[in-house]
Amino acid sequence: DAGVTQSPTHLIKTRGQQVTLRCSPKSGHDTVSWYQQALGQGPQFIFQYYEEEERQRGNFPDRFSGHQFPNYSSELNVNALLLGDSALYLCASSYLTEYIQYFGAGTRLSVL
Amino acid sequence: QKEVEQNSGPLSVPEGAIASLNCTYSDRGSQSFFWYRQYSGKSPELIMSIYSNGDKEDGRFTAQLNKASQYVSLLIRDSQPSDSATYLCAVKGNTGFQKLVFGTGTRLLVSP
Repeated sequence: DAGVTQSPTHLIKTRGQQVTLRCSPKSGHDTVSWYQQALGQGPQFIFQYYEEEERQRGNFPDRFSGHQFPNYSSELNVNALLLGDSALYLCASSYLTEYIQYFGAGTRLSVL
Repeated sequence: QKEVEQNSGPLSVPEGAIASLNCTYSDRGSQSFFWYRQYSGKSPELIMSIYSNGDKEDGRFTAQLNKASQYVSLLIRDSQPSDSATYLCAVKGNTGFQKLVFGTGTRLLVSP
């Protein structure tokens, strides 16, 4: 039973570019949440998707957008990258009716 | 006031000792509480979940919750060097949404 998988593992971009990160949830899970973790900080909630719709959003600008596909996988898109967007991006999956979230290995994004 | 507060540490304990990690939260309506372990450069791994006042034990780990004091703790008995990691406290609010609010984490160092 595969856990939460994320791709790519590492990514290097320059300021102003756009990036897409991908996530496949744990088998059977229907809800995907995205978090940003800066160095030395706890993860910060970006948004959550269920039934291909954004259910809840954290305090992130519109440059951050997402999508969920019919197979429950999800993408996180970030436009007009800033140096401050450099972080570990974590995807977590869960059942909508349960509260426990399981994290993928993350994508480490470096913006130069 | 931060929503979830933890002492950043490091908390240093000798092998075999009890490590005590503490967390306070500001949202009195919070219902669900989680402890995640995060090794350096890795993603968070769920250790314990607790939903009602009192203690919950799982192997060497005990989570304690006191909603009146808005306090949750994690005890690690017989600490091992492999327990050296950052421990993240996460809180889910009282809404139907699954957003987790994390503390900044406490770094635990267990010396042989």
